[in-house]
Parts: sequence; structure tokens; C-alpha cells
Amino acid sequence: DAGVTQSPTHLIKTRGQHVTLRCSPISGHKSVSWYQQVLGQGPQFIFQYYEKEERGRGNFPDRFSARQFPNYSSELNVNALLLGDSALYLCASSWGLAEETQYFGPGTRLLVL
Amino acid sequence: SQQGEEDPQALSIQEGENATMNCSYKTSINNLQWYRQNSGRGLVHLILIRSNEREKHSGRLRVTLDTSKKSSSLLITASRAADTASYFCATDATSWGKFQFGAGTQVVVTP
Repeated sequence: DAGVTQSPTHLIKTRGQHVTLRCSPISGHKSVSWYQQVLGQGPQFIFQYYEKEERGRGNFPDRFSARQFPNYSSELNVNALLLGDSALYLCASSWGLAEETQYFGPGTRLLVL
Repeated sequence: SQQGEEDPQALSIQEGENATMNCSYKTSINNLQWYRQNSGRGLVHLILIRSNEREKHSGRLRVTLDTSKKSSSLLITASRAADTASYFCATDATSWGKFQFGAGTQVVVTP
């Protein structure tokens, strides 16, 4: 079975632009979470979606938004990009909302110039 | 803010030696997990220990949890070059999967 997939793998944007990152969970998994990992730090929780509804949100500005589609794939959108948004964006999936183990994708590396 | 703090920040050992890293956290948790990350790629789940457990083993990995001290340790025995990676602890205080990660311990195993 395929693991969690993310696209694109790398992305370069300039300040003020908008970006959309995509994630496909493991087949059968209904929960998707997004994390931001700045170089040299651990991942920071951004959002969790379950059954197409937002179930949790981390300490990120409103420029960050996400959604989950009927096939449980998900998009993370970031508007008005700042240099500080440069990071590895990780998507993780799990079967249910309260699953103890999340399975991570390889991430999308975003560079904002 | 990050819930967990790993110690040490970096660790360099030779193949065959044991590697020990620690994680301290601030609030009560439901479970604590350890993940490995190779070269800035995705995280790989290693082991989960629940708040009512004190020790767990998985292959060459041994994890302990002391909830009174709010700390956990990960021991990798007989390390191999392939164990070179960053190791993160993640805590879940919510029981709905909002993980909080520490800053990680970077482990380098030289042949």
C-alpha cells in the first residue's frame, strides 16, 4: 500500500505570493494533520482535519488555511507568504480522530525569497 | 511553543555503542512517542508509550517514561551507521492527535 504522499516535493515562491500544498493520506485513513518544520526545530502543529471538518488548529495566523476533500485528501493554503514561512511542511494521516500513531509523508520543502 | 525538550541536542558515537537521549515535557500527557527523521525528510514512527506504562521495547529500542518527572528516554543499543538521524519525542495531551514535538536530538553514528 502507498504511504502518505505530498506534492510538490519542492517549491520556491516570493514574498506576498500564495501557495497550495497537497496531501493524499494512506488508503482508509480519514484524518489528516499538517505540521510546519522550520530548519533545526521540531514540527509544529498547524491543523487537523477529520471527515472533512477542521478538528484542531495550532498557533498559526489566518494566512494559513486548509481543507479536506471527500476522498480525504487535503490541501494547505498559505497566503501573503513571508520569508519566515520557509520550512518543510509535513502531512500526517491516521485512521481516526483519536488515533495514537500518525504516519507522515515526505514533506514539501517551501522556500520563500 | 514546543512541549518537549530533547537532550542532548547532538550526539556522536561509533558503531556498536549505545545511544541514549532524553525528552522532558511540561504538561500531563496521554502518550509519548518517538520518531526518527533522516536528512530533513518525513518522520518515521518508532515507538509509543502510554502514560500508564513505564518501559517498552522494540528491537534495539528501549523507551522509559517517568510521569512524575515528566521525562522519557530513548536508548538505541548496538548502534549502526543507518541509525544516523534526528530523533524527536512527541507528546499528545489532547487524545485527539495534536502532537507537540521537541526540537530533536541529532545522532551521528560513525563506522
